[in-house]
Amino acid sequence: DIQMTQSPSSLSASVGDRVTITCQASQDISNYLNWYQQKPGKAPKLLIYDASNLETGVPSRFSGSGSGTDFTFTISSLQPEDIATYYCQQYDNLPTFGGGTKVEIK
Amino acid sequence: EVQLVESGGGLVKPGGSLRLSCAASGFTFSSYSMNWVRQAPGKGLEWVSSISSSSSYIYYADSVKGRFTISRDNAKNSLYLQMNSLRAEDTAVYYCARGSDPRRSGFSLGYWGQGTLVTVSS
Repeated sequence: DIQMTQSPSSLSASVGDRVTITCQASQDISNYLNWYQQKPGKAPKLLIYDASNLETGVPSRFSGSGSGTDFTFTISSLQPEDIATYYCQQYDNLPTFGGGTKVEIK
Repeated sequence: EVQLVESGGGLVKPGGSLRLSCAASGFTFSSYSMNWVRQAPGKGLEWVSSISSSSSYIYYADSVKGRFTISRDNAKNSLYLQMNSLRAEDTAVYYCARGSDPRRSGFSLGYWGQGTLVTVSS
């Protein structure tokens, strides 16, 4: 199985801050990586597919980059509605998710 | 509008069985692969199983292989997960999910149901 190591596991930032989350794969997964947002009690929502493509309807303050084993997810200006847990997911092989990053407002 | 509605969750004893269903609407169900993803209370997401549009290809996570069986009925627009030999660690919310775009990987999960809770406890 491909392991996905996501960091940090939690972070606290102020409204307007730039927030960065990283995800490292245990082997080369090319760009077969997605990012999801999950709010409490809700199903996950796909934000970024194929490492860097913004899903339709997702605000442009969200972005993703990387390829191979190292990936980054960025919120350019944190908004109150972005409070959630974010997950990376690889699909080069059968899907596996990172452990999640809980984003809170400072 | 794409809708996925899970049902069949509940409380079951260790070693017991349960069958989950997912009713799909708003799209041509027979054209899409489908997935089950679960989330234990307070934990992260775990992909469980996938089935191709015609049921030709089926995949399972190692944690459920040999105990769970995924299936679908395209005539009824329904996805199923038969869960046998249930363990406490299978306790989770189970989501059915579909790829967001037929031109992309079926594992880029753009549509999710609301989930159904399975609790395995004596």
